[in-house]
Amino acid sequence: DSGVTQTPKHLITATGQRVTLRCSPRSGDLSVYWYQQSLDQGLQFLIQYYNGEERAKGNILERFSAQQFPDLHSELNLSSLELGDSALYFCASGTSGGAREETQYFGPGTRLLVL
Amino acid sequence: AQKITQTQPGMFVQEKEAVTLDCTYDTSDPSYGLFWYKQPSSGEMIFLIYQGSYDQQNATEGRYSLNFQKARKSANLVISASQLGDSAMYFCAMRPFEDTDKLIFGTGTRLQVFP
Repeated sequence: DSGVTQTPKHLITATGQRVTLRCSPRSGDLSVYWYQQSLDQGLQFLIQYYNGEERAKGNILERFSAQQFPDLHSELNLSSLELGDSALYFCASGTSGGAREETQYFGPGTRLLVL
Repeated sequence: AQKITQTQPGMFVQEKEAVTLDCTYDTSDPSYGLFWYKQPSSGEMIFLIYQGSYDQQNATEGRYSLNFQKARKSANLVISASQLGDSAMYFCAMRPFEDTDKLIFGTGTRLQVFP
């Protein structure tokens, strides 16, 4: 158990809908990272928050947004969902603001299926 | 371009034998971190081992060791005394210095351990 929690574990929805994925980092970690794992794209970095502020952006679509709250939990919002958004979405947390040697600990993931 | 290459889509090893999973990386940064993660069929990503580019010694964590050859830009994972529970996908990842906020992942190697 990494100490990172993600809910829900599974999500099935229809095209055009909006969903929210939730993540709680390990106790003491200030950074939250979101990754998408799909069959065609592999593991891709989406976005990072550090202590409530957006820190880095990766291959995140404009239909996707995220935020980190004062209690450090984070939410990833996916809207106008398309079939291609079906993937495993991971949240990871780390202690610092992205130091080279910082280890990112991953949550169990949310498996999203868009029908 | 920053890139991780894992050329072995699948590997087989007999229980109690050692196995090496290959990873090469491409970066022009002088400073970077290298990581290995394990993803069992249940889906979670489990951190295994870390190697810093300036570390003089190869990293070891229990049955896992990292064969780091900086000049060849390779960071192979060695699993000694394989166990059935080692059957999983294994991902090599890099965190370049200039872009310290995200991990760049390879495509993974599926390891099957047989009795």
